[in-house]
Amino acid sequence: DAGVTQSPTHLIKTRGQQVTLRCSPKSGHDTVSWYQQALGQGPQFIFQYYEEEERQRGNFPDRFSGHQFPNYSSELNVNALLLGDSALYLCASSPDRAGELFFGEGSRLTVL
Amino acid sequence: KNEVEQSPQNLTAQEGEFITINCSYSGGISALHWLQQHPGGGIVSLFMLSSGKKKHGRLIATINIQEKHSSLHITASHPRDSAVYICAVKTSGSRLTFGEGTQLTVNP
Repeated sequence: DAGVTQSPTHLIKTRGQQVTLRCSPKSGHDTVSWYQQALGQGPQFIFQYYEEEERQRGNFPDRFSGHQFPNYSSELNVNALLLGDSALYLCASSPDRAGELFFGEGSRLTVL
Repeated sequence: KNEVEQSPQNLTAQEGEFITINCSYSGGISALHWLQQHPGGGIVSLFMLSSGKKKHGRLIATINIQEKHSSLHITASHPRDSAVYICAVKTSGSRLTFGEGTQLTVNP
């Protein structure tokens, strides 16, 4: 079992660009959540996907959007990147909306 | 809105010491998670609690729902326990609210 996998692991973008991050959930998991973790801080909830729909959303602007595919994998898209978007982006999957979470290693985004 | 506070923010211990990390939260929750994060970012779920106490190896987690408080204990600490320990609470739906984390360093 590969667990939760995220790609890319590291990437550098410039202000104004767009980025897409990808997440494959643990086998058998149908719920995917995304979190943003700025340096030295705890993660912040971005949104959660279940049955290919966004079910809950944290306090993030519309520049942050996502998608879940029929195979339960998910993408996080961020448009019009700002310096403040530099962070570790974590994906977590669970077997249902209330189940234990399994995290990926994260994608570290640097915006210059 | 749920707030999660952890203490201490930083903790240094000698190998073999008993360690306690505390977590307090406001509001109602459906579950509380203790997570471990190593340098580089990967997060591992240690415990998910909704009541009482759980034990896994040298790790023990307790929760008091009435007092809105949880503790993570590490017995016979070891340098490989050095990591950031994060408390997170699950509210309606399955949204998690995280604490800022406790940086633990265990010296040999």
